[in-house]
Amino acid sequence: LAKTTQPISMDSYEGQEVNITCSHNNIATNDYITWYQQFPSQGPRFIIQGYKTKVTNEVASLFIPADRKSSTLSLPRVSLSDTAVYYCLVGDYNTNAGKSTFGDGTTLTVKP
Amino acid sequence: GAVVSQHPSWVICKSGTSVKIECRSLDFQATTMFWYRQFPKQSLMLMATSNEGSKATYEQGVEKDKFLINHASLTLSTLTVTSAHPEDSSFYICSASGDIGRNTEAFFGQGTRLTVV
Repeated sequence: LAKTTQPISMDSYEGQEVNITCSHNNIATNDYITWYQQFPSQGPRFIIQGYKTKVTNEVASLFIPADRKSSTLSLPRVSLSDTAVYYCLVGDYNTNAGKSTFGDGTTLTVKP
Repeated sequence: GAVVSQHPSWVICKSGTSVKIECRSLDFQATTMFWYRQFPKQSLMLMATSNEGSKATYEQGVEKDKFLINHASLTLSTLTVTSAHPEDSSFYICSASGDIGRNTEAFFGQGTRLTVV
């Protein structure tokens, strides 16, 4: 599995847009990118997934450049409840998604 | 969406006793379930993979005789921590995949906090 690198922590304020970038230089052709959110003492929660270009859903956007060596999770207008750890994962389509390799994640702290 | 439920949410046990944690897929059939362990301020570490009706596959360094996994039905997998010791205190999380959603999406339980005293 491609190793991912994320910032250890980020701070933001309510109402701001937050962009968390993940590096995955060794991403393979069959790999897709998934972001999860984890609150303390809870299991990870799926946020968004993509393969290339841009993906948007009701909670976030995912930007993937043409070389796919990095990706950026964009959270619009964050609130205090968005304080959590965000994990970027790279997985092979041929591998069960439940078997995931989690990196260190980014601890996002949203301040009032 | 798919729901995976773990029970109990937290448990405290005495050193030397065994503890069983259940992982259930509530609205889909989970052909494969995964068990993770997470220590404080650390990331999730995969412990084992279980397929319904077959023996679990353990990751390197995980003692299969200490962490017994049973996946007897398509909706239930159990993890039993045998002869628990304080160093086994951790947050245990399961994930499941099956006949729902995209095969690239994993569904996680809410986790079980185990404290061994």
